[in-house]
Amino acid sequence: RKEVEQDPGPFNVPEGATVAFNCTYSNSASQSFFWYRQDCRKEPKLLMSVYSSGNEDGRFTAQLNRASQYISLLIRDSKLSDSATYLCVVNENSNSGYALNFGKGTSLLVTP
Amino acid sequence: ETGVTQTPRHLVMGMTNKKSLKCEQHLGHNAMYWYKQSAKKPLELMFVYSLEERVENNSVPSRFSPECPNSSHLFLHLHTLQPEDSALYLCASSPEAGGLAGTQYFGPGTRLLVL
Repeated sequence: RKEVEQDPGPFNVPEGATVAFNCTYSNSASQSFFWYRQDCRKEPKLLMSVYSSGNEDGRFTAQLNRASQYISLLIRDSKLSDSATYLCVVNENSNSGYALNFGKGTSLLVTP
Repeated sequence: ETGVTQTPRHLVMGMTNKKSLKCEQHLGHNAMYWYKQSAKKPLELMFVYSLEERVENNSVPSRFSPECPNSSHLFLHLHTLQPEDSALYLCASSPEAGGLAGTQYFGPGTRLLVL
Protein backbone atom coordinates (compact mmCIF):
# COMPACT_ATOMS: atom_id res chain seq x y z
CA ARG A 1 0.00 0.00 0.00
CA LYS A 2 1.19 3.47 -0.87
CA GLU A 3 2.25 5.84 1.88
CA VAL A 4 0.75 8.97 3.34
CA GLU A 5 3.34 10.87 5.33
CA GLN A 6 2.80 13.47 8.01
CA ASP A 7 5.05 15.17 10.54
CA PRO A 8 3.86 13.68 13.84
CA GLY A 9 4.65 16.84 15.79
CA PRO A 10 3.66 17.76 18.39
CA PHE A 11 3.07 21.31 17.29
CA ASN A 12 2.79 23.51 20.38
CA VAL A 13 1.33 26.91 19.56
CA PRO A 14 -0.20 29.73 21.63
CA GLU A 15 -3.83 30.71 21.29
CA GLY A 16 -4.38 32.98 18.34
CA ALA A 17 -1.44 31.67 16.36
CA THR A 18 -1.56 30.41 12.79
CA VAL A 19 -0.31 26.88 12.23
CA ALA A 20 0.10 24.80 9.09
CA PHE A 21 0.43 21.08 8.56
CA ASN A 22 1.63 19.34 5.43
CA CYS A 23 1.03 15.85 4.20
CA THR A 24 2.62 14.04 1.27
CA TYR A 25 1.27 11.07 -0.60
CA SER A 26 3.10 8.70 -2.88
CA ASN A 27 0.36 7.43 -5.20
CA SER A 28 -0.03 9.87 -8.06
CA ALA A 29 -3.31 8.19 -9.03
CA SER A 30 -4.95 9.28 -5.78
CA GLN A 31 -8.41 10.62 -6.38
CA SER A 32 -9.67 12.47 -3.34
CA PHE A 33 -8.26 13.95 -0.18
CA PHE A 34 -9.50 14.75 3.28
CA TRP A 35 -8.49 16.02 6.68
CA TYR A 36 -9.89 14.27 9.72
CA ARG A 37 -9.57 15.32 13.33
CA GLN A 38 -9.13 12.86 16.19
CA ASP A 39 -9.36 13.95 19.80
CA CYS A 40 -7.56 11.97 22.47
CA ARG A 41 -9.22 8.56 22.97
CA LYS A 42 -12.01 9.45 20.56
CA GLU A 43 -12.89 8.42 17.05
CA PRO A 44 -11.76 10.34 13.95
CA LYS A 45 -14.20 12.88 12.56
CA LEU A 46 -14.20 14.44 9.12
CA LEU A 47 -12.89 18.00 9.29
CA MET A 48 -12.98 18.88 5.63
CA SER A 49 -12.51 17.59 2.13
CA VAL A 50 -9.66 19.00 0.08
CA TYR A 51 -10.52 20.27 -3.38
CA SER A 52 -8.15 20.89 -6.26
CA SER A 53 -8.72 24.63 -6.18
CA GLY A 54 -8.27 24.83 -2.42
CA ASN A 55 -11.08 25.43 -0.01
CA GLU A 56 -11.79 27.26 3.20
CA ASP A 57 -14.11 26.57 6.11
CA GLY A 58 -14.01 29.32 8.67
CA ARG A 59 -10.55 29.39 10.20
CA PHE A 60 -9.45 26.29 8.28
CA THR A 61 -7.96 26.32 4.79
CA ALA A 62 -7.01 23.21 2.86
CA GLN A 63 -4.87 23.13 -0.25
CA LEU A 64 -3.86 20.45 -2.70
CA ASN A 65 -0.77 20.43 -4.89
CA ARG A 66 -1.08 17.49 -7.26
CA ALA A 67 2.21 18.17 -9.01
CA SER A 68 4.15 17.91 -5.76
CA GLN A 69 1.72 15.43 -4.23
CA TYR A 70 1.12 17.25 -1.01
CA ILE A 71 -1.85 18.51 0.93
CA SER A 72 -1.84 21.25 3.51
CA LEU A 73 -4.08 22.40 6.32
CA LEU A 74 -3.85 25.94 7.69
CA ILE A 75 -5.50 26.89 10.95
CA ARG A 76 -5.81 30.60 11.71
CA ASP A 77 -6.51 32.16 15.10
CA SER A 78 -5.95 28.86 16.94
CA LYS A 79 -8.31 28.00 19.78
CA LEU A 80 -7.66 25.76 22.76
CA SER A 81 -10.34 23.45 21.37
CA ASP A 82 -8.28 22.92 18.21
CA SER A 83 -5.91 20.70 20.22
CA ALA A 84 -6.18 17.29 18.60
CA THR A 85 -4.49 14.99 16.11
CA TYR A 86 -5.08 15.87 12.47
CA LEU A 87 -5.19 12.94 10.07
CA CYS A 88 -4.45 13.29 6.38
CA VAL A 89 -6.51 10.84 4.33
CA VAL A 90 -6.11 9.89 0.69
CA ASN A 91 -8.65 7.92 -1.33
CA GLU A 92 -6.55 5.93 -3.76
CA ASN A 93 -7.53 4.62 -7.13
CA SER A 94 -7.03 0.98 -6.26
CA ASN A 95 -8.46 -1.93 -8.24
CA SER A 96 -11.36 -2.19 -5.86
CA GLY A 97 -11.83 1.58 -5.69
CA TYR A 98 -12.28 1.50 -1.95
CA ALA A 99 -8.78 2.07 -0.59
CA LEU A 100 -8.61 4.80 2.03
CA ASN A 101 -5.10 5.52 3.20
CA PHE A 102 -4.57 7.34 6.50
CA GLY A 103 -1.49 9.18 7.68
CA LYS A 104 -0.29 8.67 11.25
CA GLY A 105 -1.51 12.13 12.15
CA THR A 106 -0.04 15.41 13.31
CA SER A 107 -0.54 16.32 16.95
CA LEU A 108 -1.48 19.92 17.75
CA LEU A 109 -1.50 21.44 21.23
CA VAL A 110 -2.81 24.98 21.58
CA THR A 111 -1.80 26.58 24.86
CA PRO A 112 -3.23 29.61 26.71
CA GLU B 1 -23.85 11.54 18.63
CA THR B 2 -25.32 8.10 17.97
CA GLY B 3 -24.88 7.80 14.20
CA VAL B 4 -22.52 4.82 14.54
CA THR B 5 -22.47 2.75 17.70
CA GLN B 6 -20.08 0.02 18.75
CA THR B 7 -20.21 -2.56 21.50
CA PRO B 8 -18.47 -3.42 23.66
CA ARG B 9 -16.41 -0.29 24.24
CA HIS B 10 -13.71 -2.23 26.05
CA LEU B 11 -12.80 -5.91 25.82
CA VAL B 12 -10.15 -8.02 27.50
CA MET B 13 -9.76 -11.53 26.15
CA GLY B 14 -7.39 -14.44 26.34
CA MET B 15 -5.73 -15.88 23.28
CA THR B 16 -8.04 -18.90 23.25
CA ASN B 17 -11.29 -16.95 23.59
CA LYS B 18 -13.87 -16.25 20.92
CA LYS B 19 -15.57 -12.89 21.00
CA SER B 20 -17.46 -10.63 18.63
CA LEU B 21 -17.47 -6.89 18.11
CA LYS B 22 -20.67 -5.28 16.99
CA CYS B 23 -21.26 -2.11 14.99
CA GLU B 24 -24.54 -0.51 14.07
CA GLN B 25 -25.13 2.56 11.92
CA HIS B 26 -28.30 4.64 11.99
CA LEU B 27 -27.44 6.86 9.03
CA GLY B 28 -28.91 4.88 6.17
CA HIS B 29 -25.47 4.36 4.65
CA ASN B 30 -24.63 1.61 2.20
CA ALA B 31 -20.97 1.03 3.07
CA MET B 32 -19.40 -0.10 6.33
CA TYR B 33 -15.78 -0.55 7.34
CA TRP B 34 -13.58 -2.09 10.02
CA TYR B 35 -10.31 -0.38 10.91
CA LYS B 36 -7.55 -1.20 13.35
CA GLN B 37 -5.73 1.62 15.13
CA SER B 38 -2.55 0.72 17.00
CA ALA B 39 -0.28 3.07 18.88
CA LYS B 40 2.23 4.88 16.67
CA LYS B 41 0.66 3.45 13.50
CA PRO B 42 -1.80 4.87 11.02
CA LEU B 43 -5.33 3.59 10.82
CA GLU B 44 -5.33 0.29 8.95
CA LEU B 45 -8.32 -0.57 6.82
CA MET B 46 -9.32 -4.18 7.43
CA PHE B 47 -12.60 -4.82 5.64
CA VAL B 48 -15.08 -2.95 3.48
CA TYR B 49 -18.68 -3.93 2.90
CA SER B 50 -20.86 -2.32 0.28
CA LEU B 51 -24.54 -3.27 0.34
CA GLU B 52 -23.68 -6.24 2.55
CA GLU B 53 -21.11 -7.57 0.10
CA ARG B 54 -17.45 -7.67 1.13
CA VAL B 55 -15.50 -5.64 -1.39
CA GLU B 56 -12.14 -5.28 0.32
CA ASN B 57 -10.09 -7.56 2.50
CA ASN B 58 -6.69 -6.10 3.21
CA SER B 59 -4.73 -9.29 3.87
CA VAL B 60 -6.22 -9.58 7.32
CA PRO B 61 -5.41 -12.81 9.22
CA SER B 62 -8.21 -15.36 9.29
CA ARG B 63 -8.51 -15.04 13.06
CA PHE B 64 -10.55 -11.93 12.21
CA SER B 65 -13.83 -12.81 10.52
CA PRO B 66 -16.30 -10.10 9.48
CA GLU B 67 -20.00 -10.51 9.02
CA CYS B 68 -22.50 -8.06 7.55
CA PRO B 69 -26.05 -9.41 7.87
CA ASN B 70 -27.60 -6.18 6.57
CA SER B 71 -26.51 -2.69 5.63
CA SER B 72 -26.96 -1.39 9.18
CA HIS B 73 -25.00 -4.01 11.10
CA LEU B 74 -21.43 -5.18 10.97
CA PHE B 75 -19.69 -7.72 13.18
CA LEU B 76 -16.09 -8.67 13.67
CA HIS B 77 -15.66 -12.18 15.05
CA LEU B 78 -12.42 -12.76 16.91
CA HIS B 79 -10.83 -16.14 17.46
CA THR B 80 -7.42 -17.17 18.87
CA LEU B 81 -6.02 -13.66 18.77
CA GLN B 82 -2.45 -12.72 19.55
CA PRO B 83 -1.25 -10.03 21.99
CA GLU B 84 -0.17 -7.89 19.03
CA ASP B 85 -3.83 -7.71 18.01
CA SER B 86 -4.45 -5.44 20.99
CA ALA B 87 -5.62 -2.14 19.51
CA LEU B 88 -8.58 0.15 19.02
CA TYR B 89 -11.01 -1.33 16.50
CA LEU B 90 -13.05 1.30 14.75
CA CYS B 91 -16.16 0.82 12.67
CA ALA B 92 -17.17 3.41 10.10
CA SER B 93 -19.87 3.94 7.53
CA SER B 94 -20.25 6.09 4.44
CA PRO B 95 -23.13 6.82 2.07
CA GLU B 96 -21.46 4.78 -0.65
CA ALA B 97 -18.11 3.08 -1.05
CA GLY B 98 -15.76 4.22 -3.81
CA GLY B 99 -15.64 7.91 -4.61
CA LEU B 100 -17.52 9.05 -1.54
CA ALA B 101 -15.63 6.71 0.75
CA GLY B 102 -13.66 9.55 2.27
CA THR B 103 -16.76 10.96 3.90
CA GLN B 104 -16.83 8.43 6.67
CA TYR B 105 -18.50 8.47 10.04
CA PHE B 106 -16.74 6.55 12.77
CA GLY B 107 -18.05 4.80 15.81
CA PRO B 108 -16.37 5.30 19.20
CA GLY B 109 -14.35 2.12 18.83
CA THR B 110 -13.74 -1.00 20.87
CA ARG B 111 -10.50 -0.96 22.83
CA LEU B 112 -9.27 -4.55 22.78
CA LEU B 113 -6.62 -6.06 25.00
CA VAL B 114 -5.45 -9.60 24.28
CA LEU B 115 -3.65 -11.30 27.14
